Amino acid sequence: EPEVTQTPSHQVTQMGQEVILRCVPISNHLYFYWYRQILGQKVEFLVSFYNNEISEKSEIFDDQFSVERPDGSNFTLKIRSTKLEDSAMYFCASTGLATNTGELFFGEGSRLTVL
Amino acid sequence: KQEVTQIPAALSVPEGENLVLNCSFTDSAIYNLQWFRQDPGKGLTSLLLIQSSQREQTSGRLNASLDKSSGRSTLYIAASQPGDSATYLCAVKGNNAGNMLTFGGGTRLMVKP
Repeated sequence: EPEVTQTPSHQVTQMGQEVILRCVPISNHLYFYWYRQILGQKVEFLVSFYNNEISEKSEIFDDQFSVERPDGSNFTLKIRSTKLEDSAMYFCASTGLATNTGELFFGEGSRLTVL
Repeated sequence: KQEVTQIPAALSVPEGENLVLNCSFTDSAIYNLQWFRQDPGKGLTSLLLIQSSQREQTSGRLNASLDKSSGRSTLYIAASQPGDSATYLCAVKGNNAGNMLTFGGGTRLMVKP
């Protein structure tokens, strides 16, 4: 069964460093998302991406964050200068136009620890 | 702004019991509602999706209902098993919220053998 894959599964970084989280969405999907979950808190929306541009973003998604689809398969989230409060599980998700149900499929997540 | 609440936050039941998890949302103008399962430290597995025009969806021992007018959904799990132990999340997609999902805080379920 097709699935969303994310790498790395866990990354530890020093405050102020740049981090890139990678995702390979399901191949025929057209909408891509990043969500995050701080330990013990709700899953929160960060950004949605469609047709090679951001379609929506939350207040969390400030200038320190950026997304990119550098080729036909990868979808990346970059955090320019990490802060302690960026420590969280980051989930990539995708959905397809063809299904027309709006069902989102999530990856296993990338755990980011900022020291 | 849409708010999603799940009650109870945690639930412990003996194996074999039927149980109901509750989800409520403040804005009834939703496009769909999705139930997910999350195992500790893992990703979100989609269980059931209910469109706004539907009343319920079933998959195996799971049945999800939707009452849009009252802003409520329930997830019914029949004949619970220890393997059902996980956190269950509901999330709604609003009609006017673009493509984003708004999540509840989850119900942490423990099924004891």
